[in-house]
Amino acid sequence: QSVLTQPPSASATPGQRVTISCSGSSSNIGRYPVNWYQHFPGTAPKLLIYNNNQRPSGVPDRFSGSQSGTSASLAISGLQSEDGADYYCSAWDDSLNGRVFGGGTKLTVL
Amino acid sequence: EVQLVESGGGLVQPGGSLRLSCAASGFTFSSYSLTWVRQAPGEGLEWVSYIGASADRIYYADSVRGRFTISRDNVQNTVFLQMNSLRDADTAVYYCARGGTLDYWGQGIRVTVSS
Repeated sequence: QSVLTQPPSASATPGQRVTISCSGSSSNIGRYPVNWYQHFPGTAPKLLIYNNNQRPSGVPDRFSGSQSGTSASLAISGLQSEDGADYYCSAWDDSLNGRVFGGGTKLTVL
Repeated sequence: EVQLVESGGGLVQPGGSLRLSCAASGFTFSSYSLTWVRQAPGEGLEWVSYIGASADRIYYADSVRGRFTISRDNVQNTVFLQMNSLRDADTAVYYCARGGTLDYWGQGIRVTVSS
């Protein structure tokens, strides 16, 4: 069981908007910024969102992040076929003295 | 260009040891913390260990504490993960990543623990 809870899967059609949730606690999301990573199996994970809602250079503005209390979410608008990947949320955790990840959400673009 | 290249993986028997290396280039290595993350077959990402820029802070996941040791060489621009007393459950692709945000990742190196 992952410390951060994500839905195992999500799906949507091209052009639609999809949201992936990430639920934590006061020792992680409630206290530290959330990062989101995009991972295509067999490749290096890619930082998508940092500090809850900041996009690294080169990440399209179709990707956005938000955080409230002990939860965070990743939104992808104008969904494209190449967005089909695994998405992970992550934050530092005070009680574990380590970084924690969500279990990952497999996004399927129908 | 930031690059992180892992090496040292392979097949090892339960109870054995391996030393992973992650060679960095394209940035001021001594200014950044480094992290090891792994992904077991069919599973999600799992944080393994963290080392601060000057090795002043080191943390381990409960699953590896006491068996794994992280270290770094700020002259060779390399971070290491010494893995001892390996178990079947340590079978995974191991990634090194840069900084507190894990903004750059290596391609990963496969470790298989099996008899």
